[in-house]
Amino acid sequence: DAGITQSPRHKVTETGTPVTLRCHQTENHRYMYWYRQDPGHGLRLIHYSYGVKDTDKGEVSDGYSVSRSKTEDFLLTLESATSSQTSVYFCAISPQGGQNIQYFGAGTRLSVL
Amino acid sequence: AQTVTQSQPEMSVQEAETVTLSCTYDTSESDYYLFWYKQPPSRQMILVIRQEAYKQQNATENRFSVNFQKAAKSFSLKISDSQLGDAAMYFCATWGYSGGGADGLTFGKGTHLIIQP
Repeated sequence: DAGITQSPRHKVTETGTPVTLRCHQTENHRYMYWYRQDPGHGLRLIHYSYGVKDTDKGEVSDGYSVSRSKTEDFLLTLESATSSQTSVYFCAISPQGGQNIQYFGAGTRLSVL
Repeated sequence: AQTVTQSQPEMSVQEAETVTLSCTYDTSESDYYLFWYKQPPSRQMILVIRQEAYKQQNATENRFSVNFQKAAKSFSLKISDSQLGDAAMYFCATWGYSGGGADGLTFGKGTHLIIQP
């Protein structure tokens, strides 16, 4: 699985609580991405990182923040979870950015009640 | 910005037959790449095939091939000799170089492929 671990794999939380999802890679790839997958929408980019402490927003970044203090870890935080953030979240890594192959983690299913 | 359209929400094919999944895209970038990803029930996203837009030759990976029509902005996936293990959601995606080099992929909404035994 290209050395990507997402944790937790499943989480149920309540509206208004903070949630942090973790993506850990063992490939030493420079680029990391967070996507969300919802029925009828395919995958949409939330945030991405092009190096330690270098991040930028994607298409659906509202309500999310990210941090990357080490090459191997990319954290996605929902400061105050809402029901609209119920989704499956995928982390992806790439050695050379978007034009190269992106390898995906197994996903985290998040339910916000 | 890029957009990707998959007009077939669901397709069905008999085992051992050939099926073609459609994808059209729009991009303002001159340098871009196209991908097909497969997502089986396990939820894992698996790269099927990748096409570089500046290459005229269609990409091929074993039973999977693409028909890339650059002028028409069309990128269809052909699966030959369909197997039960091909049953999955298939996503078309594109990436365009907009200067930063790090942007993520833009995905279509997917096509659910059913293989009839």
